[in-house]
Amino acid sequence: SQQGEEDPQALSIQEGENATMNCSYKTSINNLQWYRQNSGRGLVHLILIRSNEREKHSGRLRVTLDTSKKSSSLLITASRAADTASYFCATLKETSGSRLTFGEGTQLTVNP
Amino acid sequence: NAGVMQNPRHLVRRRGQEARLRCSPMKGHSHVYWYRQLPEEGLKFMVYLQKENIIDESGMPKERFSAEFPKEGPSILRIQQVVRGDSAAYFCASSPWGANYGYTFGSGTRLTVV
Repeated sequence: SQQGEEDPQALSIQEGENATMNCSYKTSINNLQWYRQNSGRGLVHLILIRSNEREKHSGRLRVTLDTSKKSSSLLITASRAADTASYFCATLKETSGSRLTFGEGTQLTVNP
Repeated sequence: NAGVMQNPRHLVRRRGQEARLRCSPMKGHSHVYWYRQLPEEGLKFMVYLQKENIIDESGMPKERFSAEFPKEGPSILRIQQVVRGDSAAYFCASSPWGANYGYTFGSGTRLTVV
């Protein structure tokens, strides 16, 4: 298994519903970041949470981090069709923290 | 600020040819990262560079692949003697202070080897 695994692999919801995506990792981290990728485009940085933080908010996004379980979740509230994209978590390892390691992503589809 | 600029957006090469992918980081960003993405997969780290230095190339294949970030000009990812398995999207990202503060990504170069 790789550092940073998202769950579920795919998620389909109706507009207005909340979407929750999870990320698990294996080694101690310095921080964890979430990115969004629209089809065929580059990734866009959404939010960063440091290892000493438990929760962060940014607009309709809420990220939690549980370092004891080595897991994070991304919640998108009141989803919109425009939220349809792939979402990736990325970790900066504590020991070899020169670059981010990305997971395989969750494909979110928000149906109008 | 034009963001991270990658060119070309699409590149088609025949097997055995060379591919040169260019990345101009955001103004003021001195850290550049290259990642490769296969269809329906996540991003796989290739190399991390600062001006004139390769910091971490642990994700680069030992043969045919090289990268540079000269004092002047864009970062270049070079793939010699391309094979079909090199077909992928190659993304460049930059940051001002390293990975601790997040990356800004370019739109990628889609390499197709025929």
